[in-house]
Amino acid sequence: KNEVEQSPQNLTAQEGEFITINCSYSVGISALHWLQQHPGGGIVSLFMLSSGKKKHGRLIATINIQEKHSSLHITASHPRDSAVYICAVEGGSDDMRFGAGTRLTVKP
Amino acid sequence: NAGVTQTPKFQVLKTGQSMTLQCAQDMNHEYMSWYRQDPGMGLRLIHYSVGAGITDQGEVPNGYNVSRSTTEDFPLRLLSAAPSQTSVYFCASSYGGGGEQYFGPGTRLTVT
Repeated sequence: KNEVEQSPQNLTAQEGEFITINCSYSVGISALHWLQQHPGGGIVSLFMLSSGKKKHGRLIATINIQEKHSSLHITASHPRDSAVYICAVEGGSDDMRFGAGTRLTVKP
Repeated sequence: NAGVTQTPKFQVLKTGQSMTLQCAQDMNHEYMSWYRQDPGMGLRLIHYSVGAGITDQGEVPNGYNVSRSTTEDFPLRLLSAAPSQTSVYFCASSYGGGGEQYFGPGTRLTVT
């Protein structure tokens, strides 16, 4: 079993819909990251959080340390949000473990 | 700032050949790392460095060597390429192990 599990693996939505991507992990962590990988392959960091909630524009990330679970929400989704969203966790030894990613397609 | 740069973008090797993937960053980040990304799998850590002169193994280090002689550069060496090393390789850096990660554009490597 992977240490970081994401769901769903694939997600198709209509423009304007509210999107939720989930991440569960099984190890103790110091921080959790959400990354976005565009179709061209580039990876950018969206959020780094260790507690609570963060918001950036239409994106919201939450984490529940006790339940070892994080969610990434996208409000008013747009076709340009189509990408692979990756959850990654940092343990105590400076290494990071990644989920397999969620492929999001937003249709106009 | 150029951020994190990687060269080459694409490379084809024959089994047994050696090569070095270059990674450089101009943000004075202490932490640098190499990942490989394979279809259907998450990014996996190959090697990382917490500062010049210090490197450590990640999840999948076999077949790869690294060194960190300067803060800016973190090359990844394939000693004797194997088809199992066909992958996309990403270099990343951050201020510390717990900081926001900045990724390079990736190197797509094919070993035949």
